[in-house]
Amino acid sequence: AQRVTQPEKLLSVFKGAPVELKCNYSYSGSPELFWYVQYSRQRLQLLLRHISRESIKGFTADLNKGETSFHLKKPFAQEEDSAMYYCALANAGGTSYGKLTFGQGTILTVHP
Amino acid sequence: NAGVTQTPKFRVLKTGQSMTLLCAQDMNHEYMYWYRQDPGMGLRLIHYSVGEGTTAKGEVPDGYNVSRLKKQNFLLGLESAAPSQTSVYFCASSSRTGGTQYFGPGTRLLVL
Repeated sequence: AQRVTQPEKLLSVFKGAPVELKCNYSYSGSPELFWYVQYSRQRLQLLLRHISRESIKGFTADLNKGETSFHLKKPFAQEEDSAMYYCALANAGGTSYGKLTFGQGTILTVHP
Repeated sequence: NAGVTQTPKFRVLKTGQSMTLLCAQDMNHEYMYWYRQDPGMGLRLIHYSVGEGTTAKGEVPDGYNVSRLKKQNFLLGLESAAPSQTSVYFCASSSRTGGTQYFGPGTRLLVL
């Protein structure tokens, strides 16, 4: 069974500090990994996906198949980064119908 | 282009009452999903649909029913609400090619 684990429920950093949100997964097939973000009073939205290999709002995430991790990183956190972050996994092949398995979420707070 | 909309935004029910949550999308997406969001649990898939007239069970389907009579609408029903169904419910949709899921704003349900 596939599983996504975000070990930190809460993460606090100061503005300008580096931030890393951890995500580990267990899946026997070929995974596709995502990070979704939910800002206060807004809907959940895609932040980035590993196949895009792009940086969004200064965030990057690298899929490490050896460590089964997909940690989200930003070198200099901003106050507007404060939000709930979810790591999610999908089956990249087969008839998964786009279903996602989400982690428990990490609330990031960036202090001024 | 409203994307994904949900009605109602908030509802209070008494134990045993029934209700229907409506999700609508205007992106012509094939796939639609219902999730519930609970603290410390992340988002869990209740039911999903891969096309008009089709539905399938997700991770936590008990106590819920769904219908997809029209491609753009996905209804979630609670026949006899229980306090354990107090949660925030999110609807999402995605295209047949998969990848990004687009979320609605959520429905906050309180069952007393």
